[in-house]
Amino acid sequence: GAVVSQHPSWVICKSGTSVKIECRSLDFQATTMFWYRQFPKQSLMLMATSNEGSKATYEQGVEKDKFLINHASLTLSTLTVTSAHPEDSSFYICSAAGTGDKGSYEQYFGPGTRLTVT
Amino acid sequence: DAKTTQPPSMDCAEGRAANLPCNHSTISGNEYVYWYRQIHSQGPQYIIHGLKNNETNEMASLIITEDRKSSTLILPHATLRDTAVYYCIVRPGTYKYIFGTGTRLKVLA
Repeated sequence: GAVVSQHPSWVICKSGTSVKIECRSLDFQATTMFWYRQFPKQSLMLMATSNEGSKATYEQGVEKDKFLINHASLTLSTLTVTSAHPEDSSFYICSAAGTGDKGSYEQYFGPGTRLTVT
Repeated sequence: DAKTTQPPSMDCAEGRAANLPCNHSTISGNEYVYWYRQIHSQGPQYIIHGLKNNETNEMASLIITEDRKSSTLILPHATLRDTAVYYCIVRPGTYKYIFGTGTRLKVLA
């Protein structure tokens, strides 16, 4: 199956600093990648849709100037949390959309990145 | 976008079949039903998906009712490693997934 990696798997940063999270599709090209956030004991919340070579589309309520997304190639998307604050502490998960074995378009998820802001 | 409704939690004895229901009464004709699961602190794992017909793979079976308003995911012989949160998702044409609250399945020894 398709493999998606994330780096780092966990990160601790000080309040006010910026953190970059990478999402890579390892064995397929993904024109579309998605970024999710998950708080403890809650479901995944879609933050934004990232298309290669164009600006990301953010969901309502997500600050695009705070969560910078870059999708520079067909295998890499990055999420930068700028001026992080403790309330940004969360589990960030990316996914990459690709064509499955039945020809339907489905998402393959990365292992997630746990961000703790102190 | 079609919304899904799942029971918040279920228990299942190890070795028995786990049947996880999902209601998606507003599903439209070209929307697929997807099932994923998330084991604690990991990314969601794809299980199975279908449009109209029942589907089976090495992990599970998916039964979709004839009117497509509900479906059931069946894990035929649940193991302790199947303890996870299971999400039923109806995927619209935009490829976006909207995750509901899922069902927390606990497999008991």
